[in-house]
Amino acid sequence: DMQMTQSPSFVSASVGDRVTITCRASQDISRWLAWFQQKPGKAPKLLIYAASSLQSGVPSRFSGSGSGTDFSLTISSLQPEDSATYYCQQANSSPPGLSFGGGTKVEIK
Amino acid sequence: EVHLVESGGSLVQPGGSLRLSCAASGFTFSRYWMSWVRQAPGKGLQWVANIKQDGSERYYVDSVKGRFTVSRDNTQNSLYLQMNSLRAEDTAVYYCARIEEGSGYYRDFWGQGTLVTVSS
Repeated sequence: DMQMTQSPSFVSASVGDRVTITCRASQDISRWLAWFQQKPGKAPKLLIYAASSLQSGVPSRFSGSGSGTDFSLTISSLQPEDSATYYCQQANSSPPGLSFGGGTKVEIK
Repeated sequence: EVHLVESGGSLVQPGGSLRLSCAASGFTFSRYWMSWVRQAPGKGLQWVANIKQDGSERYYVDSVKGRFTVSRDNTQNSLYLQMNSLRAEDTAVYYCARIEEGSGYYRDFWGQGTLVTVSS
């Protein structure tokens, strides 16, 4: 089974900081990776698909990059409303299992 | 506007059964793979089951195989999850999600979730 490993599991940063989260796949998944944001008590929200495509309505301070097995999500200038847990999801499987990474909690200092 | 609304979550004893439902609206339900994803208290996301547009393919995470059954009714725009032989470790919020195809498979819309608690 495909394994997705995120790092770090927790990050604390100040408003305006640049924050980068990484996700590593256990197998080559080309560019088939998505990123989600989840706030407490809420459903996950799709931010990025196909590694770097921004979902409609998502602020441009969010960006994604990577291919193969190594990917990253960057928040260029952290805002208070970005406090959340972020998950990657592999999008390559056929048939789809579509497993998630373990999550990265982003805290505002 | 896409809407997914789950229902059916409740407190159930170990070994019991429960059926979750997800009512879909705002899109052509029969054109999409659908998915159940769960989240145990304080834990991360875990995919549970995925079902193809016509129900001909169904996939489950290993921990629920043989106990859970995903199904759908395209005439009613509804997704279901029949959960049998429930265990304490099945306690979680269960989300239904639409799977978008094209640039890979990813869950682009989610419901608000329904809580299943397995406890005596």
